[in-house]
Amino acid sequence: QVQLQESGPGLVKPSETLSLTCTVSGVSINSHRHYWSWIRQPPGKGLEWIGYIYSSGTTYYNPSLKSRVAISIDTSKDQFSLKVSSVNAADTAVYYCSRVVGSTSSFELWGQGTLVTVSS
Amino acid sequence: SYVLTQPPSVSVAPGKTATITCGGDNIGSKSVHWYQQKPGQAPVLVVYDDNDRPSGIPERFSGSNSGNTATLTITRVEAGDEADYSCQVWESATDYVVFGGGTKLTVL
Repeated sequence: QVQLQESGPGLVKPSETLSLTCTVSGVSINSHRHYWSWIRQPPGKGLEWIGYIYSSGTTYYNPSLKSRVAISIDTSKDQFSLKVSSVNAADTAVYYCSRVVGSTSSFELWGQGTLVTVSS
Repeated sequence: SYVLTQPPSVSVAPGKTATITCGGDNIGSKSVHWYQQKPGQAPVLVVYDDNDRPSGIPERFSGSNSGNTATLTITRVEAGDEADYSCQVWESATDYVVFGGGTKLTVL
C-alpha cells in the first residue's frame, strides 16, 4: 500500500536550516492526479500548511513562510524534501508530509510525522 | 488572509450525535475537508468535498456546507471517535491552504 515516511534531524539549532525528506513507497511520486505537501503542527496547536509541490517541480507556499521555505522533488527516488531556513523556537513542531488529491485539494494520506525541536 | 473558526471543544454522550462547526466568510462557495486526529497520531481524512467519505470511513460521518458555516456531523458517537477534528479549505484567490484551529471532541 502507499506509505509516506518523514526523515531528518530531530534537533536543529536556532538560525540554522531545518531539512526533512519524505520517502513515498507503494506508488510513483510522478503522478498527475496528486501533489505532495508539507504540514506542521506546533505542540498543542493546530495544523499549519507549509506548501506543496507538483511532480513537475511547481511549488506553492504559505505566504507567511514563503521567504524561508523551499520544497523540492526527486522523482527518480520517489522523494520530496523541505528546507526551512533561519529557524527559531517557533518552528518547533511535528512535521508531516502528505499526498494531496489534485481534484479536491484534500490531504488524503499522511506520514506518521516527525518532531523537530529548535534549540541550542 | 482567509480564516476558519472552530469551537475549541464539543462534548457528547455515547450514542448521541456530535456537531462540529467551521465558520468562514462565504465558506459555502468552497469545498471543505475534515480531518480526525487522535493523540500522537497523524490526521486522517474523514470527509472531503463537503460531504464525501474516503473508503473505510463509516457512514456515521457526514458533512454539510452552506453560507458561512460548514458542519461535520457524527451520529451514534462511540468512545473511539474522541479526537481533534479540523476543517480545511483551498483558498483559490491566493493559492493558499487554510486549516481551522481544531475542535476537541470529548465523549462523555
